[in-house]
Amino acid sequence: RKEVEQDPGPFNVPEGATVAFNCTYSNSASQSFFWYRQDCRKEPKLLMSVYSSGNEDGRFTAQLNRASQYISLLIRDSKLSDSATYLCVVNIITGGFKTIFGAGTRLFVKA
Amino acid sequence: GAVVSQHPSRVICKSGTSVKIECRSLDFQATTMFWYRQFPKQSLMLMATSNEGSKATYEQGVEKDKFLINHASLTLSTLTVTSAHPEDSSFYICSARDPGQPIYEQYFGPGTRLTVT
Repeated sequence: RKEVEQDPGPFNVPEGATVAFNCTYSNSASQSFFWYRQDCRKEPKLLMSVYSSGNEDGRFTAQLNRASQYISLLIRDSKLSDSATYLCVVNIITGGFKTIFGAGTRLFVKA
Repeated sequence: GAVVSQHPSRVICKSGTSVKIECRSLDFQATTMFWYRQFPKQSLMLMATSNEGSKATYEQGVEKDKFLINHASLTLSTLTVTSAHPEDSSFYICSARDPGQPIYEQYFGPGTRLTVT
């Protein structure tokens, strides 16, 4: 089983749609959680951190459920520029520091 | 924000040759840098953790004699792919941690696309 698993995608949505991505992690020693965005042939860029209390940044809302080991990302009012791959990222700190990336979910927003 | 650069951004080499990739932290001193590899449509896979002044820590399955890592200064880590083969063709990305920032903050370089012919 992969340490971080994401929706397989790709998601094809029209502009203005709301889309939700899910992610599960298996290591209970996971300490911090993030969503990154990666454009084609580019490095990942931090989109937002994820907290149990939930956090919102404009059209983006992230949520963490530690009991279920589940992370979500909601994008409202999708824009063409949101088209990218969204990576679920988990940091594990057990004797060292390790970052685990999910395989990513591809989003295509179309006019 | 913190900036990490990589050089070269793209390299094509012949099978059997060695390629060196540089990762630099431009406005902070990075005691720890990470090297990742990403194959098409796959996630980033951590190859090794590079610690300034000490030996790198390699992930399981990554050959340390093939992927040589040197972190001789607080702003530079290098990854050398020795005797490269076509299966080493991939997108190599480094990241660096700023010790003055929270432990989970990583700053990624723009990546190096390696093609071995």
